[in-house]
Amino acid sequence: KAGVTQTPRYLIKTRGQQVTLSCSPISGHRSVSWYQQTPGQGLQFLFEYFSETQRNKGNFPGRFSGRQFSNSRSEMNVSTLELGDSALYLCASSLGQGIGYEQYFGPGTRLTVT
Amino acid sequence: DQQVKQNSPSLSVQEGRISILNCDYTNSMFDYFLWYKKYPAEGPTFLISISSIKDKNEDGRFTVFLNKSAKHLSLHIVPSQPGDSAVYFCAASALSNFGNEKLTFGTGTRLTIIP
Repeated sequence: KAGVTQTPRYLIKTRGQQVTLSCSPISGHRSVSWYQQTPGQGLQFLFEYFSETQRNKGNFPGRFSGRQFSNSRSEMNVSTLELGDSALYLCASSLGQGIGYEQYFGPGTRLTVT
Repeated sequence: DQQVKQNSPSLSVQEGRISILNCDYTNSMFDYFLWYKKYPAEGPTFLISISSIKDKNEDGRFTVFLNKSAKHLSLHIVPSQPGDSAVYFCAASALSNFGNEKLTFGTGTRLTIIP
């Protein structure tokens, strides 16, 4: 069974631009969560989608948004990029919602904002 | 406000010895704790978990201990093997304002096993 895939793997953007990251969950998984990983902060939860609905949200500004499609694929968008948005963005999928379902992480998208 | 803290950014342990990774938390509403392992260029993978109603959970070479009164958990790896060299994240779960469980991660500890 294929794992969680994220595209692109690496991305360089300029301040003020916007970016869209994509995540394809494991086949059959309906929940997708997004995390931001930075050296000083570890993994920080961005949001979770389940059945095309945002079910959970972390403490990030409105510049960070996401959506989930009917095939469970998810996209994350960051508008008006700032230097501090440089990070590894990880997506994780699980069969269902809740702690009883193991999360499987993708390899991440490394975003660099210059 | 870092609710889950891993105060040791790095740890080196001799192969065959015990590795002990520590994690402290501040939110008493956390009711489930997990450890993840991350290799470079890969996403974190789930290692072991423990419910707040238990104080110990063991899975092969990995044991997680939970001390609720001290708000402290630890991961013991024994014996340590070179393949255990990775970054380890502890995570804790609690209900968010949205009424759903949300994971809060620590900053990670880089474990290096010395052959």
